[in-house]
Amino acid sequence: GEDVEQSLFLSVREGDSSVINCTYTDSSSTYLYWYKQEPGAGLQLLTYIFSNMDMKQDQRLTVLLNKKDKHLSLRIADTQTGDSAIYFCAESIGTGANNLFFGTGTRLTVIP
Amino acid sequence: EAGVVQSPRYKIIEKKQPVAFWCNPISGHNTLYWYRQNLGQGPELLIRYENEEAVDDSQLPKDRFSAERLKGVDSTLKIQPAELGDSAVYLCASSLGTSGVYNEQFFGPGTRLTVL
Repeated sequence: GEDVEQSLFLSVREGDSSVINCTYTDSSSTYLYWYKQEPGAGLQLLTYIFSNMDMKQDQRLTVLLNKKDKHLSLRIADTQTGDSAIYFCAESIGTGANNLFFGTGTRLTVIP
Repeated sequence: EAGVVQSPRYKIIEKKQPVAFWCNPISGHNTLYWYRQNLGQGPELLIRYENEEAVDDSQLPKDRFSAERLKGVDSTLKIQPAELGDSAVYLCASSLGTSGVYNEQFFGPGTRLTVL
């Protein structure tokens, strides 16, 4: 079955860049996603990347996909205290309405 | 536009009691999902509806869990009887569900269930 792995914790200083990593096992993934979850809130989609892309940039966010190694990363430039949250990597297979398979989440703590 | 609405936000029950969660998806979204998120874990799909039809319920523990989506809009997820291990956050999500294209899932805030 699908297996998505993430490291559990990451701490960075305000203003530095954060890099959150994710590995997945299913080579037939169509889309890969990064979600943000703040305490008591639902999941917020930050960005996604189609599996035939290597990189996607959206303001402070840069997503890198290494399909050969099944490795996905999210870089947050100029990390702010408001970025403190849990970040989930997820994958889906196929197009249309499809199930998401989530990693365990990485708790990002931004130190002022 | 309103997002996905879930109620209640919190529920505390004793084991062996029944419990129900309600979800109202974004207007016009055909596909509705129920996920369970255990503490310290990512969400896991329980059931996916396309309109009124449950198209994927392979991860739903059918001995105690049931769900319905009458008229293809609101949905209810029920547990009867609840067990200690059912303590989790139950998330509802919806998407347009159009086949062949990217479909973003929008998540509600979840219902946090505590079984004592």
